[in-house]
Amino acid sequence: KNQVEQSPQSLIILEGKNCTLQCNYTVSPFSNLRWYKQDTGRGPVSLTIMTFSENTKSNGRYTATLDADTKQSSLHITASQLSDSASYICVVSDRGSTLGRLYFGRGTQLTVWP
Amino acid sequence: EADIYQTPRYLVIGTGKKITLECSQTMGHDKMYWYQQDPGMELHLIHYSYGVNSTEKGDLSSESTVSRIRTEHFPLTLESARPSHTSQYLCASSPPLHFGNGTRLTVT
Repeated sequence: KNQVEQSPQSLIILEGKNCTLQCNYTVSPFSNLRWYKQDTGRGPVSLTIMTFSENTKSNGRYTATLDADTKQSSLHITASQLSDSASYICVVSDRGSTLGRLYFGRGTQLTVWP
Repeated sequence: EADIYQTPRYLVIGTGKKITLECSQTMGHDKMYWYQQDPGMELHLIHYSYGVNSTEKGDLSSESTVSRIRTEHFPLTLESARPSHTSQYLCASSPPLHFGNGTRLTVT
């Protein structure tokens, strides 16, 4: 069964600290993996997208890694800011259908305290 | 600015009412989607469209219907709202995948 599991479910850190969010997946055949940030009451916004051949991608203070062999990804946030408080969602796409089926994790709820 | 718009942002309605959630995108995307999202849960696909006059049901059983008469417009209709329909509804389009800000629906 194709699944996307994220950990931790929630995380609280102090402003200025770094943190790493995890995503494990069983989706096959794999096409790409995306990380989204979803602020409360808003739609998800794309942070990074990685294909099979990419093992790291950065977007400002956000760096995503991908290990396609172990089917694991991480999102590292550097020097956290209050505005980083949000839900971070891992989304994996397969290439086994014309739709490019998307599998969503339940997200990690990050809270940054001053 | 190219974007995807959903209206209303919030809706509180009584049981049995008919409602339509609007979604429009100005990016010229062929593919559009409706997702349902409950707190702490993953997004569930309820409807999708490959293009004009093309609509399909997603994974989550839904009593809603959709239409795609124009490329930019993908409304979702509930003929008779029930409390179990209370949720956040997210519209998206692709490629690349881009989400609207959602409609928070409460059925009393």
